[in-house]
Amino acid sequence: AQSVAQPEDQVNVAEGNPLTVKCTYSVSGNPYLFWYVQYPNRGLQFLLKYITGDNLVKGSYGFEAEFNKSQTSFHLKKPSALVSDSALYFCAVRDKNGYQLIWGAGTKLIIKP
Amino acid sequence: AAGVIQSPRHLIKEKRETATLKCYPIPRHDTVYWYQQGPGQDPQFLISFYEKMQSDKGSIPDRFSAQQFSDYHSELNMSSLELGDSALYFCASTPGRLSYEQYFGPGTRLTVT
Repeated sequence: AQSVAQPEDQVNVAEGNPLTVKCTYSVSGNPYLFWYVQYPNRGLQFLLKYITGDNLVKGSYGFEAEFNKSQTSFHLKKPSALVSDSALYFCAVRDKNGYQLIWGAGTKLIIKP
Repeated sequence: AAGVIQSPRHLIKEKRETATLKCYPIPRHDTVYWYQQGPGQDPQFLISFYEKMQSDKGSIPDRFSAQQFSDYHSELNMSSLELGDSALYFCASTPGRLSYEQYFGPGTRLTVT
């Protein structure tokens, strides 16, 4: 069965420091991986995706993610965190049998001034 | 740029009542996905439509039904509402079933009392 794991419920980072939000996946074959961000009482916003090609994917708002096939990971990163990055971040993989997204549990990112 | 529109944004219903949620995809998007997000939970896929036909079915209760109309908007009909149906319901659209990233609407917050 396909699944996505986000091992951290919450990540706390000081403003200006680098941040990492972890995601590991379990799929058969090549994965299609995504990161979305959700601000309070708002919809999910697409950040970036990995389909194929370069393992380092750059997305919106200065975020990037590194696909690591051997570790089955797709960690979200940003070199310098902003207070406005505080939100709920979801990692997702596209179901191979359908086209819907299978979601991780979400990680709350808190950036402190 | 036009986004996915969902209406209503907020809905309060009593147990055993019915509710209808509407989703208007981005223009020229022909695929619609419905997700349910309970409090503090990750989104759960309910059902999807491609070119007005149901394409995939997830954890949608038998009390719920949905359809996609000729203008590609979709409606989620919910009957015999239960307290556990209280959640945020998201609609997402893509330009074709094979498209990767899904574009989400702001969601409808349903409260069942």
